[in-house]
Amino acid sequence: NAGVTQTPKFQVLKTGQSMTLQCAQDMNHNSMYWYRQDPGMGLRLIYYSASEGTTDKGEVPNGYNVSRLNKREFSLRLESAAPSQTSVYFCASRGTGGFQPQHFGDGTRLSIL
Amino acid sequence: AQRVTQPEKLLSVFKGAPVELKCNYSYSGSPELFWYVQYSRQRLQLLLRHISRESIKGFTADLNKGETSFHLKKPFAQEEDSAMYYCALSGSARQLTFGSGTQLTVLP
Repeated sequence: NAGVTQTPKFQVLKTGQSMTLQCAQDMNHNSMYWYRQDPGMGLRLIYYSASEGTTDKGEVPNGYNVSRLNKREFSLRLESAAPSQTSVYFCASRGTGGFQPQHFGDGTRLSIL
Repeated sequence: AQRVTQPEKLLSVFKGAPVELKCNYSYSGSPELFWYVQYSRQRLQLLLRHISRESIKGFTADLNKGETSFHLKKPFAQEEDSAMYYCALSGSARQLTFGSGTQLTVLP
């Protein structure tokens, strides 16, 4: 019963380094999402993918890119990490149909020095 | 545009006391509203959604369209209820907009 799986759980980067956060879901959901969680600001949507092959910007997309590799996987890439991107990143997925909730992964705690 | 406001960042109550976490929203259409809970260092979990009209772990929330509110209530708080609570709204684009969260602490 994995649900949404994120890797890695923790990562420390230096400014300017790049990395990719991985997310996979096993619930056959069409929609997938990437959020960042910062103190006092709740969760903010970075990018989302309504279905395989499509991606759209959310509220805070600058500095990030995403890839919907297939129906299961949705990755988030930081091309040149900045200290302002220090955050906890959550991936989520959602099934189709009305009033479906989003299911979240455990999060990736990312620190950029 | 859709917006969710949780006016209280921190809320402390004593065990056995009633608790109400406030949530107000702004959305022009018919919203889908949810409460998510995040226990310490765990993933966000769905607590309840307005369409289900259910009570989960003793919590209830009623959608008040006139006041554009979706407050979360529990008559008798328990220590295990201590967590971060997020109110969230899903609009026509099926994107979730979260409030900034309320950290609930239930004191013994």
